[in-house]
Amino acid sequence: TQLLEQSPQFLSIQEGENLTVYCNSSSVFSSLQWYRQEPGEGPVLLVTVVTGGEVKKLKRLTFQFGDARKDSSLHITAAQPGDTGLYLCAGGRGNFNKFYFGSGTKLNVKP
Amino acid sequence: DAGVIQSPRHEVTEMGQEVTLRCKPISGHNSLFWYRQTMMRGLELLIYFNNNVPIDDSGMPEDRFSAKMPNASFSTLKIQPSEPRDSAVYFCASSGQGTDTQYFGPGTRLTVL
Repeated sequence: TQLLEQSPQFLSIQEGENLTVYCNSSSVFSSLQWYRQEPGEGPVLLVTVVTGGEVKKLKRLTFQFGDARKDSSLHITAAQPGDTGLYLCAGGRGNFNKFYFGSGTKLNVKP
Repeated sequence: DAGVIQSPRHEVTEMGQEVTLRCKPISGHNSLFWYRQTMMRGLELLIYFNNNVPIDDSGMPEDRFSAKMPNASFSTLKIQPSEPRDSAVYFCASSGQGTDTQYFGPGTRLTVL
């Protein structure tokens, strides 16, 4: 059983569309991270949110941490083929940067 | 600057054989993590070290798995004996003091026949 559940698992959209990926848990986390992973490579950190209700923007990507610090969302505006990849959320707990990863959302943006 | 280095990138072995995966963290980083990624279970934390000391190995599947960090620039993950269900991509990641940013290596794709 995953501590963090992501939805949807798979998403295939056309270039220019908007999308939202969700990351949910019944547990509280001290911080929440989002990563993007491309085939044959390791995950790359996109953002870290630490305060309940926090919203961060990274160009066309908007990240939100839930008020209760149990969930998060990633919204992409006007998706591009370069956004294709596996998106992973990770919840942090305790010391020494121990993070629990979500199940992942595989995004395919068609030109 | 070199990122996290893992070797080998691909390993194919037969059931029962010993497998050793290697990792060189980013210079100056004091935390090191070993993960395993499969389609079924996603990305799982196996073990992590802080200042070369194992802090939490609760994710290590069983006694067949062991990890060492003899110094700040090298770590190994060993599987002995290997089984087909160990087939996965194994990632090493490192992070620096006071930061929660983990830098992942390219991974080792292990296939146990």
